[in-house]
Amino acid sequence: AQKVTQAQTEISVVEKEDVTLDCVYETRDTTYYLFWYKQPPSGELVFLIRRNSFDEQNEISGRYSWNFQKSTSSFNFTITASQVVDSAVYFCALGVYNQGGKLIFGQGTELSVKP
Amino acid sequence: GAGVSQTPSNKVTEKGKYVELRCDPISGHTALYWYRQSLGQGPEFLIYFQGTGAADDSGLPNDRFFAVRPEGSVSTLKIQRTERGDSAVYLCASSATPLDTGELFFGEGSRLTVL
Repeated sequence: AQKVTQAQTEISVVEKEDVTLDCVYETRDTTYYLFWYKQPPSGELVFLIRRNSFDEQNEISGRYSWNFQKSTSSFNFTITASQVVDSAVYFCALGVYNQGGKLIFGQGTELSVKP
Repeated sequence: GAGVSQTPSNKVTEKGKYVELRCDPISGHTALYWYRQSLGQGPEFLIYFQGTGAADDSGLPNDRFFAVRPEGSVSTLKIQRTERGDSAVYLCASSATPLDTGELFFGEGSRLTVL
């Protein structure tokens, strides 16, 4: 069975702090994709990143970075020097090759960044 | 349009009524997806269209739910004999190609409340 677990339901930090959002996944498939989406209060899910199972290179995009470790089935997301505009619900998701757009989402982590 | 458009944004109905939710994907996107998001949860996959045909409808919860995409563009999600448990935000997404290479672009959702 495929499953995504985001153990942190809510996180609250003060602006400029670094914060890491955890994601653990389960799948028996050898080819799969991992995603992070941001959902601001408006409700629209915004794509942040996609990683392929065969590419374990970590990635940095501005203040965002992602750490993919197949050995621990984790795909963690770090925001450096957080800002109030980062406040949102963040979802980790798993997609399997050859299953089209059928993503399995975690339950989300609500991040609150206070000034 | 520039993004995925969903109407209505809010729908309140009484138990037992019939409801239609509409999704207008990004122009040129061949793949269209419906997800359902309950309060405090991640989105759950319902159905995926490639062109006019439903490529995967394994997420539809029962036969009260039905979706069409007759011309390969706009899609309508239809719910018969609504129940209070159907209350949720229904999200539509589209992608230029099936998930294997692309990312999903989500609309802002249609919030359905069944009284």
